[in-house]
Amino acid sequence: SQTIHQWPATLVQPVGSPLSLECTVEGTSNPNLYWYRQAAGRGLQLLFYSVGIGQISSEVPQNLSASRPQDRQFILSSKKLLLSDSGFYLCAWNRGQGQPQHFGDGTRLSIL
Amino acid sequence: KNEVEQSPQNLTAQEGEFITINCSYSVGISALHWLQQHPGGGIVSLFMLSSGKKKHGRLIATINIQEKHSSLHITASHPRDSAVYICAPPCTYSGGGADGLTFGKGTHLIIQP
Repeated sequence: SQTIHQWPATLVQPVGSPLSLECTVEGTSNPNLYWYRQAAGRGLQLLFYSVGIGQISSEVPQNLSASRPQDRQFILSSKKLLLSDSGFYLCAWNRGQGQPQHFGDGTRLSIL
Repeated sequence: KNEVEQSPQNLTAQEGEFITINCSYSVGISALHWLQQHPGGGIVSLFMLSSGKKKHGRLIATINIQEKHSSLHITASHPRDSAVYICAPPCTYSGGGADGLTFGKGTHLIIQP
């Protein structure tokens, strides 16, 4: 069966510090991968998606970047965090367009 | 961009009541997710449906693709159903073989014993 792992579960970082959140999927190959964010009091929003290694598409301009160094690994990064980067970050995968999405447990990021 | 409207935003009901949550979206789609988010934040996909009706236990989801409308029903509601329910059709701007989701603001459901 397929599983998705996301870590860390919670993270507290100072403004201006770097960020690296990791997501891995097991039990499938060549998944579509997604990063979403839920800011405080707001709905979830798509940040990045990837259909293959090294292929990243961004939906909104922001202080974050994403990378996919391996088939089942998706990383969300920032060089310098802003207060506005606080929120709940979710990774998800599916087998392809039109297929159900499966979500990780999320990372709650607080910026101080 | 697909605009998603969910109603009601907040709903408090008594245990056993029949619950209905509605979702309308602006851009035609082929399928839509209903998601459940518990207080800890974790999200579970309840349904992905493209037509008609799907049932899983006490949960029923319906969709009318032509009307751009979907509903989620809970029969014999229970306090453990308390959560945020989110309607999520695909984004219209993601493509190339991927279908990132766009999300409604969610319905905060509380079932009182």
